Amino acid sequence: QKEVEQNSGPLSVPEGAIASLNCTYSDRVSQSFFWYRQYSGKSPELIMSIYSNGDKEDGRFTAQLNKASQYVSLLIRDSQPSDSATYLCAVTFNQAGTALIFGKGTTLSVSS
Amino acid sequence: DADVTQTPRNRITKTGKRIMLECSQTKGHDRMYWYRQDPGLGLRLIYYSFDVKDINKGEISDGYSVSRQAQAKFSLSLESAIPNQTALYFCATSDAGRGELFFGEGSRLTVL
Repeated sequence: QKEVEQNSGPLSVPEGAIASLNCTYSDRVSQSFFWYRQYSGKSPELIMSIYSNGDKEDGRFTAQLNKASQYVSLLIRDSQPSDSATYLCAVTFNQAGTALIFGKGTTLSVSS
Repeated sequence: DADVTQTPRNRITKTGKRIMLECSQTKGHDRMYWYRQDPGLGLRLIYYSFDVKDINKGEISDGYSVSRQAQAKFSLSLESAIPNQTALYFCATSDAGRGELFFGEGSRLTVL
């Protein structure tokens, strides 16, 4: 069974703080990793993708991947109330590529 | 116009009725997917198709069927709807690259 695990939260941080979201996955051959943001009642939107070990930065967002530990994280710096949403971790589970499997999501609340 | 269009956006039906959710895309992607979202359960994969002649079951295919009528069209059917199929359904597309998904706006289905 391919699994993607996330802490459901809610994760509450004050405005301007760093929010740290974590995700673990069950299959060592996983190749592609994504973070999606979803506002209530809306469709998910991609905010970060990462394919190799290490860090990838895009504006206030940093994705970190550690394939040996089967762990991927998302850091949001200078958190804003508009970042309040559910963050979904998604993983592809084989080298040939297949459909993304999603975690259940972590709800982030940023208070002003 | 949206690149990935789902119809209907909202539907209320009764137990035992046949329901079809339709998805069309203008992104030119070969791969199309149907996901279901329930509160607290994240996105779960129902079916996916990598090209017109390819159909694959996902995590939760029981009670559902799909048809890939053309590269741009992928429909999901519930042959005999039951109340626990009440959910928000998302269609998504991707190209054959790294797996990034592009989502439709969702179809909210209520089965009474």
